[in-house]
Amino acid sequence: DIQMTQSPSSLSASVGDRVTITCRASRTISTYLSWYQQKPGKAPKLLIHSVSSLQSGAPARFSGSGSGTDFTLTISSLQPEDFATYYCQQSYTLPWTFGQGTKVEIK
Amino acid sequence: EVQLVESGGGLVQPGESLRLSCVASGFTLSNYALSWVRQAPGMGLEWVSAIGGSGDRTSNADSVRGRFIISRDNSKNTVYLQMNSLRAEDTAVYYCAKASQGGTYAATRGDYFDYWGQGTPVTVSS
Repeated sequence: DIQMTQSPSSLSASVGDRVTITCRASRTISTYLSWYQQKPGKAPKLLIHSVSSLQSGAPARFSGSGSGTDFTLTISSLQPEDFATYYCQQSYTLPWTFGQGTKVEIK
Repeated sequence: EVQLVESGGGLVQPGESLRLSCVASGFTLSNYALSWVRQAPGMGLEWVSAIGGSGDRTSNADSVRGRFIISRDNSKNTVYLQMNSLRAEDTAVYYCAKASQGGTYAATRGDYFDYWGQGTPVTVSS
């Protein structure tokens, strides 16, 4: 199975901060990488697919980059509604696997 | 509007069975694969099972292979997850999620989950 490792596991940031979350795959996944946002008690919500394609309705302050094994999710200016847990997911080969999550908390 | 609504969760004892349902609306179910993804309390997301649009292609995670069966009834716009021989480690919220790409395969390289249901909780405990 492809292991997905996110860092950090959690971070504290203030409104307006630039936030970067990284995701590393245990082997190459080309550009088959998606990012999801999950708020407490809610289902995950797709933010970005194919590394950098913003899902319809997702705010433009979210962006993604990377290829191969190393990927990043960037929030250009953190907003109050962005405090949540973020997961990366590979769809290169089954089983689909997710990172362990990065919890973004208010500083 | 695409909607996925899960039901069927509950409290069961180890070794018992449970069947989850996911009713889809707002899109043609037979054109898309659907997956079940679960989340244990306080933990991350784990893909469990997937089924292709026509229902004859399925795939399961090793952790549930031989115990869980995914199926679908496109005439009822419903996907099912039959869970047998349940274990304490199966305790989780179970989400159904629509694959982004159409087709008959259970999973396609490059797929992502563009819509999710609200989840149904399953607790396995004596």
